[in-house]
Amino acid sequence: RKEVEQDPGPFNVPEGATVAFNCTYSNSASQSFFWYRQDCRKEPKLLMSVYSSGNEDGRFTAQLNRASQYISLLIRDSKLSDSATYLCVVNIGNTGNQFYFGTGTSLTVIP
Amino acid sequence: SAVISQKPSRDICQRGTSLTIQCQVDSQVTMMFWYRQQPGQSLTLIATANQGSEATYESGFVIDKFPISRPNLTFSTLTVSNMSPEDSSIYLCSVDRTGKETQYFGPGTRLLVL
Repeated sequence: RKEVEQDPGPFNVPEGATVAFNCTYSNSASQSFFWYRQDCRKEPKLLMSVYSSGNEDGRFTAQLNRASQYISLLIRDSKLSDSATYLCVVNIGNTGNQFYFGTGTSLTVIP
Repeated sequence: SAVISQKPSRDICQRGTSLTIQCQVDSQVTMMFWYRQQPGQSLTLIATANQGSEATYESGFVIDKFPISRPNLTFSTLTVSNMSPEDSSIYLCSVDRTGKETQYFGPGTRLLVL
């Protein structure tokens, strides 16, 4: 079983739509959680960390459900520039060497 | 966030040869990591490079194939040895700034092995 699983999509949504991605993780001892964004032919970049209390950054909201071991990302009022692959990332350990990456969810925002 | 550079940005190599990829960070970091991202797939950790000690390799990766150097706190190299077409991939270095628990990636090296 994979450490981190995501629906690969693709998600094709019109501008202004709201879209949600889910991600599940298998290790209940996982310590920290993140969403990264990867544009085509670019490196992954940190989008936001995910906290148990949930956190919001502008149009982006991340939620963590430890009991069910899933993480979500909600994007409101989608922009064309949101088109990218979104990677769910789980850190199992206290150090930086136990990061597991999902395969990513592809989003295309259509004019 | 850290500023990370990698050289080369891309290369096309013949099978059987070796390529050394360099990763330079703009500040001292304790841990540096090397990942591989094969076409259409997510990132797979190759090894963790710590200054002053041997690299720690993940399952499926060995030092003979992917030797790593970490001569100081701002620099590391990954060598892809005796390359085959299956090694065609993007190779990324990343750093974990102490206390941040997040990873910042270099721009990657695109390798094509013919």
